[in-house]
Formats: sequence, C-alpha cells, structure tokens
Amino acid sequence: GQQVMQIPQYQHVQEGEDFTTYCNSSTTLSNIQWYKQRPGGHPVFLIQLVKSGEVKKQKRLTFQFGEAKKNSSLHITATQTTDVGTYFCAGFRIQGAQKLVFGQGTRLTINP
Amino acid sequence: NAGVTQTPKFQVLKTGQSMTLQCAQDMNHEYMSWYRQDPGMGLRLIHYSVGAGITDQGEVPNGYNVSRSTTEDFPLRLLSAAPSQTSVYFCASRRGFSYEQYFGPGTRLTVT
Repeated sequence: GQQVMQIPQYQHVQEGEDFTTYCNSSTTLSNIQWYKQRPGGHPVFLIQLVKSGEVKKQKRLTFQFGEAKKNSSLHITATQTTDVGTYFCAGFRIQGAQKLVFGQGTRLTINP
Repeated sequence: NAGVTQTPKFQVLKTGQSMTLQCAQDMNHEYMSWYRQDPGMGLRLIHYSVGAGITDQGEVPNGYNVSRSTTEDFPLRLLSAAPSQTSVYFCASRRGFSYEQYFGPGTRLTVT
C-alpha cells in the first residue's frame, strides 16, 4: 500500500490564511522532495530536504524535515490565489532508494 | 530543450486493446519513471529505469510493460487494456538518484 501518507487530502482556505500539509512515512527516508501541480498541469519540483531537522524557506513557503526523517511538512503563510493546486511530498526510502514514492497529495483551493 | 515529451495527449481504448504510450527526454537523464494519477491516490509508480537496458517494477506494475533501449526513450505498453487502467499517465526523468524529477505533460487514457 501507500507508504507515504499525506494529510489532509483537501484544504479550502480564505485568501490570506495560512496552510499546512503533512507527510508521514512508515520507513526512514534518505531525503524528501516536494512538488506542486496546478489544475490541469503536471507536477513541478519545489524543493528537496536531506538532513534530519532541516528547514528551508522559499518566500512564503516553509519546508521542514523531521528529526527521525520519517515526516515532513509544508507551510504556506498568507496564501494567495496563485498557491492553488495540489502539493505532493515524495520520498526516497533508504532501501530501494531508486524509487521515488509519492504521497496522495493535498489539494488546496482558495476563496479570494 | 524540449524536456520530457509524451504522446499522445489523449487516448480512448476499448477493453482488450493494446497500445504504447511514448515518452522521450532530451536532457540525457539516466533515471526515467512512469506514474499513474487517480483521484485520491496521488502518483503511483508503475515502472522505472535507472539507465538504458535496466528496468524495474514500481508499486503498480501489473498490466504494463516497459523497455529502455536508449537513454532518451521509455515507452509504456498496455498489453490488454482494462477499465481499471483509465487514468492520467505521467512520464518523468531525473539526472540521478536524488535529483529533482521533471515530468512530462501527461497522457489522459480512457478505457471503455
């Protein structure tokens, strides 16, 4: 079954509100990537986290990798309509590391 | 660079028919993968390749075949289409193990 779980599946916010999606793996990950897919589009790479406890920022987006390298989160501050889309985490397991396994994604919709 | 290209964009098949989804990349990437995307299921890995002549199964390989005779091309074959294979199929490539992954525009397949 799905070994990378992502919650929530859907999130609807008012423009300006914050948004967070969480990613949990049943096994330790060597690193984790985040992707964004706009409606009707294809996934586009956002960032990769490698180190335990790592935090990276891209403007209003903050990405964290857990200390045990089994979970990660993406937080968007003050959402804008351009943030609409589905956000996916994807992990490389330590065993079978060539496979990049995706979570189910969190679909973000925004009320302007 | 064209990046990752996929053909066709749309396809309708009858149950039992076979077809090949084409994927090509011009970035000289070693790793290529096929994913299917279904509502609520995220992106599930079908097959992947870590170089020409080398392929392996992903999470949902049944009913699909792949081959990798060149670095550039990674076709996905549906042997005998079933309605359960109705999905959006994405091909992706990346330079190496923990590099960012580039996705093609997708093929929307309907099996009736």
